[in-house]
Amino acid sequence: EAQVTQNPRYLITVTGKKLTVTCSQNMNHEYMSWYRQDPGLGLRQIYYSMNVEVTDKGDVPEGYKVSRKEKRNFPLILESPSPNQTSLYFCASSYSGDEQFFGPGTRLTVL
Amino acid sequence: QKEVEQNSGPLSVPEGAIASLNCTYSDRGSQSFFWYRQYSGKSPELIMSIYSNGDKEDGRFTAQLNKASQYVSLLIRDSQPSDSATYLCAVNMIQTGANNLFFGTGTRLTVIP
Repeated sequence: EAQVTQNPRYLITVTGKKLTVTCSQNMNHEYMSWYRQDPGLGLRQIYYSMNVEVTDKGDVPEGYKVSRKEKRNFPLILESPSPNQTSLYFCASSYSGDEQFFGPGTRLTVL
Repeated sequence: QKEVEQNSGPLSVPEGAIASLNCTYSDRGSQSFFWYRQYSGKSPELIMSIYSNGDKEDGRFTAQLNKASQYVSLLIRDSQPSDSATYLCAVNMIQTGANNLFFGTGTRLTVIP
């Protein structure tokens, strides 16, 4: 089954404790992206990757890091999480950046 | 100015009616337009894509694009209670030089049985 998977689905952590949210796709897509979704603000792009070893900032990259060492994986790293990073996070993938397919989401709470 | 704008709603329509969802965008050079459906607590699901001016129909859904007016809409015919969701308009904007989607904040649709 073609899919984008994310782990964990739910995470509660404390300020400053480094965390990684994994994302994996099995569709051989070149393009992968991370979004955060907040009430009233919609989906905002954090980082994206056009291909292996190629990443770039989206609209709200501050406080986040990514890496793309393999085509199928695109982890999101929060090195020192803060409460304003409490949000719903989605990973997405696509052949070109157009028709993007989303993972199930990760709900993160930073206390 | 927001890059992709939608009425937040909520939009309520009776079962069997036509629901009309609208979206405007700021980048005149945009070429690709999408509608996503998002049920509460779930991830966005792509339901329509449109690239050329005019109408594109898929089952009960019709997407309409007018690039001159920078306007894209989604019509849902014979609305069903299962269509109750938030509908997100997304536009692939070239202004950043990259292939990225910008999303509106979504319109919440409620179909009343």
